[in-house]
Amino acid sequence: DAKTTQPPSMDCAEGRAANLPCNHSTISGNEYVYWYRQIHSQGPQYIIHGLKNNETNEMASLIITEDRKSSTLILPHATLRDTAVYYCIVRVHSGGGADGLTFGKGTHLIIQP
Amino acid sequence: NAGVTQTPKFQVLKTGQSMTLQCAQDMNHNSMYWYRQDPGMGLRLIYYSASEGTTDKGEVPNGYNVSRLNKREFSLRLESAAPSQTSVYFCASSEANQPQHFGDGTRLSIL
Repeated sequence: DAKTTQPPSMDCAEGRAANLPCNHSTISGNEYVYWYRQIHSQGPQYIIHGLKNNETNEMASLIITEDRKSSTLILPHATLRDTAVYYCIVRVHSGGGADGLTFGKGTHLIIQP
Repeated sequence: NAGVTQTPKFQVLKTGQSMTLQCAQDMNHNSMYWYRQDPGMGLRLIYYSASEGTTDKGEVPNGYNVSRLNKREFSLRLESAAPSQTSVYFCASSEANQPQHFGDGTRLSIL
């Protein structure tokens, strides 16, 4: 799986949009971009994923550049409960077998009141 | 709907003791996974099971064994615990090419 690079930490004011960047310059054509977050002491929580088109769900939006070498996770109206470590992961969708996720150190997002 | 349930939540062992971490999922997923997370680090894959009856090594399998007891349950065993195995252990499950769902972890300390 391709490696990802994320800033170690970011701050964002409550109520503002939080934009979390991720570089994945060695991503392959069949690798998806996944985002998870981990709130202190809990298991990782799935947020969103995409291949090449921008995606939006009830939690966030995912913007993937046209060359797919980077992406941005957007939390449109950050709240204090969004304080967490956010992981950007690239993952092959295989032919049906299992595949583990490769986690880096992620970005520690701190929402300021 | 409980999702992924891990037991116990906390455990303290002495070096050389053995124990089994239990994981069960109620989402009828075929695939299950065990990860460990050390302080300040991301999760690392220990073992996974693509389907009932199959298991495969992940990135850090040494010192561990696993059993896929049935479709719901996937256990992780430490035969002779070492201080280096002090960590938080997470179990996850998924269908192929779908997001993984994680339990809340087992915090294991080995003295």
